[in-house]
Amino acid sequence: EVQLVESGGGLVQPGGSLRLSCAASGFTFSSYVMNWVRQAPGKGLEWVSGISGSGDITHYAESVKGRFTISRDNSKNTLYVQMNSLRAEDTAIYYCGKDLGLVGATGVDYWGQGTLVTVSS
Amino acid sequence: QSALTQPASVSGSPGQSITISCTGTRNDIGGYYYVSWYQQHPGKAPKLMIYDVRNRPSGVSHRFSGSKSGTTASLTISGLQAEDEADYYCSSYTSGSTLDFGTGTKVTVL
Repeated sequence: EVQLVESGGGLVQPGGSLRLSCAASGFTFSSYVMNWVRQAPGKGLEWVSGISGSGDITHYAESVKGRFTISRDNSKNTLYVQMNSLRAEDTAIYYCGKDLGLVGATGVDYWGQGTLVTVSS
Repeated sequence: QSALTQPASVSGSPGQSITISCTGTRNDIGGYYYVSWYQQHPGKAPKLMIYDVRNRPSGVSHRFSGSKSGTTASLTISGLQAEDEADYYCSSYTSGSTLDFGTGTKVTVL
């Protein structure tokens, strides 16, 4: 059974930093693209970033480019996102998602339960 | 990178069929067969309902079906049931190697 468990969310001041983690199990982690998707309170889904199975190819939404860094540790079956220079508009539930495919962000077939990030003074 | 366009709301009576559209461009829906649909109930994580335009994951009801024509994808729910009341989102791979989501559609069962 595929399981994705996010952690690391919380309250942070504007301009601050936070690192989210996603522990994966139940599939061959290193074979799949992994994604971060967020949902602001009462709003729709927004793809944030994706990373290839080997970790050498990354892509970002324009809204977070230069501020967020996605990474993975295949020896620990764990996905990360380092979030710097946080803004109020980054407030959202952040979901970790396993991609359908092996190359490129083609869609998410398994989702974590999400972790809430609140950016406020 | 911009969101795909969906109607804000669609409603139907139990047993009826409804269709939700998802409009993009040739750089996303029009250029690839990587279109997915998700169901999200309040307070829950999204659930994959359709992938690669028309494929259903194991365990998803046959009442859900997907299609695509040009730059518009569609999700049809047949035999509408109370449990289908939820938010629905489409997504598509893009030419920029990103994933675009739709604006979301609230489905109401009358």
